[in-house]
Amino acid sequence: DVKVTQSSRYLVKRTGEKVFLECVQDMDHENMFWYRQDPGLGLRLIYFSYDVKMKEKGDIPEGYSVSREKKERFSLILESASTNQTSMYLCASSFIAGGRWDNNEQFFGPGTRLTVL
Amino acid sequence: AQSVSQHNHHVILSEAASLELGCNYSYGGTVNLFWYVQYPGQHLQLLLKYFSGDPLVKGIKGFEAEFIKSKFSFNLRKPSVQWSDTAEYFCAVINFGNEKLTFGTGTRLTIIP
Repeated sequence: DVKVTQSSRYLVKRTGEKVFLECVQDMDHENMFWYRQDPGLGLRLIYFSYDVKMKEKGDIPEGYSVSREKKERFSLILESASTNQTSMYLCASSFIAGGRWDNNEQFFGPGTRLTVL
Repeated sequence: AQSVSQHNHHVILSEAASLELGCNYSYGGTVNLFWYVQYPGQHLQLLLKYFSGDPLVKGIKGFEAEFIKSKFSFNLRKPSVQWSDTAEYFCAVINFGNEKLTFGTGTRLTIIP
């Protein structure tokens, strides 16, 4: 079974703190994604990565950065947390869609609920 | 850019009722279509997906969805819901050659026993 794990289920931070969210997948997927999930807004893509050290902005990258030093690990960084970044953060991974059109399902981690005070 | 509409934000049904949740996307071409489900306290998991072939696809737990290309739709159906179907349901689309899923805003389904 594919497993995507996230470092914390719940996190409470103060405004201005630097926050690291870690994600690890064990299926040798090329793609990894960070989303935030907010009520009434669904899932919005923050950043994704299709290879080690590669990253692309999603729909809402402002205030975030990412790091992918190893294929299985993808980190989301909030350089200076703000209250409007209070949200549920979901990590996902998948094979590269172009190469495996019938096998490009994204697998999700359990999420990290971040509260910024 | 692709967008996905789920017009029903919250649906409340009694057990054994039939279910249909709407999903429409905006941009055509070759697409993969997905329905994900998030049960209370659990992570998102795949319910079913369409990538080619028969436009009527069957998923887990008795769910099915029909891809109607001319209507840009991928509605989710279940003939008889159970209390355990209470969850949030997300429709998502990926265009061929793209790596990014576009999600709808979700439909919260509440089943009354």
